[in-house]
Amino acid sequence: GPKVLQIPSHQIIDMGQMVTLNCDPVSNHLYFYWYKQILGQQMEFLVNFYNGKVMEKSKLFKDQFSVERPDGSYFTLKIQPTALEDSAVYFCASSLDTGQLYFGEGSKLTVL
Amino acid sequence: QQQVRQSSQSLTVWEGETAILNCSYENSAFDYFPWYQQFPGEGPALLIAIRSVSDKKEDGRFTIFFNKREKNLSLHIKDSQPGDSATYFCAASVSGSSGNKLIFGIGTLLSVKP
Repeated sequence: GPKVLQIPSHQIIDMGQMVTLNCDPVSNHLYFYWYKQILGQQMEFLVNFYNGKVMEKSKLFKDQFSVERPDGSYFTLKIQPTALEDSAVYFCASSLDTGQLYFGEGSKLTVL
Repeated sequence: QQQVRQSSQSLTVWEGETAILNCSYENSAFDYFPWYQQFPGEGPALLIAIRSVSDKKEDGRFTIFFNKREKNLSLHIKDSQPGDSATYFCAASVSGSSGNKLIFGIGTLLSVKP
């Protein structure tokens, strides 16, 4: 089936550094999402993105977070600066319309 | 307060039994309810979904029973197999608002013993 690719699969960084998580969504999809999952807990919505703009973001989407999809390439989540509580698995998803979301395998972020 | 609640964080059944996973929700505006299956180290994958205009959706061994009045639903997995061992997330969204912003439950870890 359709695949969402996420790079990197795992990143370890020091607190205060910047990190960029990359997502290659399904090719003809129009809506893009980031979710955050802390080990053993539910997936929490961070943000969704359509037509070059953020549509909605949650309280978890702090000022240090930003998303973009320059020129139809990767959909990225940037965190600058990172904090210890940002350690989690970040899942990217995409959808063609308001229907089924396809998820990537996640990017595990460890902030030391 | 959780908007989507899954009553059991873990469930163990024997191979061949029917596994029943329960879910309830708070927001009456939710009208789309997918169940996602997640294996360790992988992303969640859509298993089956129902819209609030229906009370039952069946796909092979998987059936969703939906009760709009009680605001709950359940996923039944017939003839459970060891390969069904995974975490199952109930999710909900309001159609047409901000794309398809899914709200997830905490997940139920299903173990199917051979």
